[in-house]
Amino acid sequence: AQSVTQLDSHVSVSEGTPVLLRCNYSSSYSPSLFWYVQHPNKGLQLLLKYTSAATLVKGINGFEAEFKKSETSFHLTKPSAHMSDAAEYFCVVSEIYTGRRALTFGSGTRLQVQP
Amino acid sequence: KAGVTQTPRYLIKTRGQQVTLSCSPISGHRSVSWYQQTPGQGLQFLFEYFSETQRNKGNFPGRFSGRQFSNSRSEMNVSTLELGDSALYLCASSTGDLDGYTFGSGTRLTVV
Repeated sequence: AQSVTQLDSHVSVSEGTPVLLRCNYSSSYSPSLFWYVQHPNKGLQLLLKYTSAATLVKGINGFEAEFKKSETSFHLTKPSAHMSDAAEYFCVVSEIYTGRRALTFGSGTRLQVQP
Repeated sequence: KAGVTQTPRYLIKTRGQQVTLSCSPISGHRSVSWYQQTPGQGLQFLFEYFSETQRNKGNFPGRFSGRQFSNSRSEMNVSTLELGDSALYLCASSTGDLDGYTFGSGTRLTVV
């Protein structure tokens, strides 16, 4: 079985400071991992994905994440926060299991960016 | 290219009624997945269809059903609506490989 734990339900940063959103996963098989962002009253937008290639993954809008198998983590970072980054972020794990795909979402982290 | 289109955007239904939601995936995408998003339960997986076949199913009662047509468009049906079915229903499409999913803007269902 697979699961995702987002360690912080809320994170508040000042504009221009680094962002760290933490995600730990559990998977019986080699997982694919994703980060999605959801702005208010919008659907989900894919930020980046890890699919067993490079462990450091670069995404859109300056975000990146590092897959650490030994720590079962996939934390999302950005060097400098922008006001437009304020949104909810979801860590997602997907694995192929006996030919069928299961997709599990974390509970989300709401990012606030203070001016 | 056009994104994932969900219709309608908003729905208000009465308890006990049934509802059908529609999702048109990105052209060429054969996989369509459905999710329910509520403040209390977060994002929960309903089911996934690939080439008209249900490939995976989440832990929802049988009142929730879906189907996929030959053009990859998908519909989700909820029968005998309950107040707790009020949620944002999101549809996502993909090629079926591990390349991520593109989500629609969702259908907000309110059951009164």
